[in-house]
Amino acid sequence: KAGVTQTPRYLIKTRGQQVTLSCSPISGHRSVSWYQQTPGQGLQFLFEYFSETQRNKGNFPGRFSGRQFSNSRSEMNVSTLELGDSALYLCASSSEGNGGYTFGSGTRLTVV
Amino acid sequence: AQSVTQLGSHVSVSEGALVLLRCNYSSSVPPYLFWYVQYPNQGLQLLLKYTTGATLVKGINGFEAEFKKSETSFHLTKPSAHMSDAAEYFCAVSVNNDMRFGAGTRLTVKP
Repeated sequence: KAGVTQTPRYLIKTRGQQVTLSCSPISGHRSVSWYQQTPGQGLQFLFEYFSETQRNKGNFPGRFSGRQFSNSRSEMNVSTLELGDSALYLCASSSEGNGGYTFGSGTRLTVV
Repeated sequence: AQSVTQLGSHVSVSEGALVLLRCNYSSSVPPYLFWYVQYPNQGLQLLLKYTTGATLVKGINGFEAEFKKSETSFHLTKPSAHMSDAAEYFCAVSVNNDMRFGAGTRLTVKP
């Protein structure tokens, strides 16, 4: 069965622009979480969606937003990009909704 | 909120030696606990998880972990390290679908 697919794999954006990242979960998985990974801050939780509803949210500014569609695919959006937003963004899906997540390979975002 | 502390950001062992990666958690309710491994330029792969039941959990690649409630610990072990075990390891705690990760431990395996 196909794994978690994140697109694109790499992205370069300019400060002030906005970006949308996409995540297709494993078929049948209804919970999708997003994480930001940086060398300085490690893995930080952004948000978790289940059946199109945001159930949990981390400590990120409102520039970071997400959504989930009826087919469980999820997108996250970052507006007004800052240099500090450069990171690996990881998406993970689960059928149980409480751990045992399967991660995608991530989208590496570079803001210049 | 729940949290995880991984003791030691870098651990180095010789091939064939015991691997011990330490993890302590904090949670106000019974948590689910996980260990993940990350190889360079890849996502995270689940090694093992504890939800309920048996406190000694066996995972993939010969790894296991023991949930000790009295010590709030979930240390990861492997009896004999292989070169292929060199990677970054993350302990995680999940409560009510909110999973938080430790800072990670980079494991180096020397020939």
